[in-house]
This record gives sequence, structure tokens and C-alpha cells, in this order.
Amino acid sequence: GAGVSQSPSNKVTEKGKDVELRCDPISGHTALYWYRQSLGQGLEFLIYFQGNSAPDKSGLPSDRFSAERTGGSVSTLTIQRTQQEDSAVYLCASSHGVGELFFGEGSRLTVL
Amino acid sequence: DQQVKQNSPSLSVQEGRISILNCDYTNSMFDYFLWYKKYPAEGPTFLISISSIKDKNEDGRFTVFLNKSAKHLSLHIVPSQPGDSAVYFCAASGPNSGGSNYKLTFGKGTLLTVNP
Repeated sequence: GAGVSQSPSNKVTEKGKDVELRCDPISGHTALYWYRQSLGQGLEFLIYFQGNSAPDKSGLPSDRFSAERTGGSVSTLTIQRTQQEDSAVYLCASSHGVGELFFGEGSRLTVL
Repeated sequence: DQQVKQNSPSLSVQEGRISILNCDYTNSMFDYFLWYKKYPAEGPTFLISISSIKDKNEDGRFTVFLNKSAKHLSLHIVPSQPGDSAVYFCAASGPNSGGSNYKLTFGKGTLLTVNP
């Protein structure tokens, strides 16, 4: 498709389990972002990839969170030993660089 | 410390009237501002943006105003339509956005409801 694709769209997991969320950005976009939106909150920046540069991980809330981007395209966000406070919608976005981000529909994570 | 603030969680207007959505920011280094619209179960979509060298940008029914001295921007929608009902996020970026020129800082959003 032409847009940012995320999977799974919904994930329910038990506390303590690991989860992986996938993002397939728009072809040709060099920048890729992960944000999350917790209930009643704005979009919280997690991590940013730009080309071959070192990622900006300044938004990752703990060392249980990690992300990688293989081949400059698909990205995977991994949350280890999930906690209930990790429940949120995780949004991926891509862009050419400055300005407008194109978002996917998000992955809704529920940690029981 | 919230650098982008949308103090109104919700706003309700009548169809045909003007909707005014407000946003305040605290980081004086922000130099690019955007509005995104989000429908339920969808990702946010870009609506309109403004650079700090301007004080107004217009696109059809949507106009964004920037008051740098007050660190305030607003989105005007006129005339409002029922299809405009959505959550509107204000976002900002700048050279001091945590070291990334491109990282956007978002507000918490305002839910706009346009009543027929």
C-alpha cells in the first residue's frame, strides 16, 4: 500500500511477556518515528531513525523498550517484560525529513 | 514539563460557525508548528503548518495564526462542518527538540465536535 503500515493492529498480552510491533514506512521515506498515545494523553515521542545515522532514543521510557530499523525500511519496536502502564496505542510515522509526518493507524497494546 | 499545551480538552460548535482551537508552547526555540487531525481508530493526519517566519497560513477553510511573542498559536476552521469532528493535535519542532530538528512535540489534543 501507499501508506504507513503497522501490525498487529491490536495486541493483548499478559504482564511480563515480550511484544514486538512492526512498522512498514512509506517507500523512500528516510525518517521513521515511533510515538505512543496513552489514554488521555498526547502523542509521546519514543524514538527516531534518520537514514544511516544513529537513532535518537531519547524518548524511550525504560531499557525494556528497544527498536531497530533494518535495511533503512521496516522497523520493529520491542517491549520486554511488559507492564500494565505500557498499555497504549503505539504509532509509527515516516517522513522525507522536516515537517509533515505520515502516521500509520497504530498498534493498540493492552497489557493485562 | 509539557512544552506544548492544549488547555481545552474539548470544544463543541454548531455547523457553519467558526471553530477556534488554541495551543500554547513554552520552548522559545520552536520554529515550526503543525496541526494534525485524528479520527477514532486512525492515525493522525497532517492538516496545516506554519513556520515561525510567518504569522498566518491559510488553506481553504483552515487558517493557523502564530503569535510568537505570546508563544501561542490557534487553528480556525470556518465554516465548521460535521466531518470536522475529530481530535486536533498541535505539534512543534525546532533545533532544541532534544537535539533533533525533526522530532515533533505534541500537545494532548482537543476533541472538536461539530453539531449539525
